[in-house]
Amino acid sequence: DTEVTQTPKHLVMGMTNKKSLKCEQHMGHRAMYWYKQKAKKPPELMFVYSYEKLSINESVPSRFSPECPNSSLLNLHLHALQPEDSALYLCASSQDKQREVYNEQFFGPGTRLTVL
Amino acid sequence: AQSVTQLDSHVSVSEGTPVLLRCNYSSSYSPSLFWYVQHPNKGLQLLLKYTSAATLVKGINGFEAEFKKSETSFHLTKPSAHMSDAAEYFCVVINSYGNKLVFGAGTILRVKS
Repeated sequence: DTEVTQTPKHLVMGMTNKKSLKCEQHMGHRAMYWYKQKAKKPPELMFVYSYEKLSINESVPSRFSPECPNSSLLNLHLHALQPEDSALYLCASSQDKQREVYNEQFFGPGTRLTVL
Repeated sequence: AQSVTQLDSHVSVSEGTPVLLRCNYSSSYSPSLFWYVQHPNKGLQLLLKYTSAATLVKGINGFEAEFKKSETSFHLTKPSAHMSDAAEYFCVVINSYGNKLVFGAGTILRVKS
């Protein structure tokens, strides 16, 4: 299985809602990532998990809360978002740098988030 | 710090003609370089990667790229464009710690029938 899956595909939420995005991979990868992508821009890194521990937080606002329950799952909890948070949220995974030099990342299809 | 520059924001070709998407990189050491493709409202798919094993890298869907250290370039080519190649393409370098991808701004490829 060489696939990263993400649910839901689309999400519309109000600014007072709480929602979660889910990402799953079964490639045995030990590094997982969240990216935010605005239209006509490259993806921007938000968080990196390595061996289920948060290793990088790119100064993301606290209304985004990541969670890695196990080596196959990655969640992104959303609360009190702003309309400018509307974007495509991408999850990716890769072999951890300690075992793999080249570290290409495999991306999921993304969740299209709209904040009203 | 590592960086990549994609020299064209938009490229338009006719179906059946060659494709050339240009990328220059900056790195203080031998880099790991990638090309990703993104179709509209989709995730990113890895086309090919350079990892110093060979300077000419073959990828999926007939794409290939040549690593030229003297020119600090990693241009993506395809001999004959297909309508399904219309997408956005990102040239990417990995940072020195191996835990971050550094993206170029992207090149949108349009294929005319």
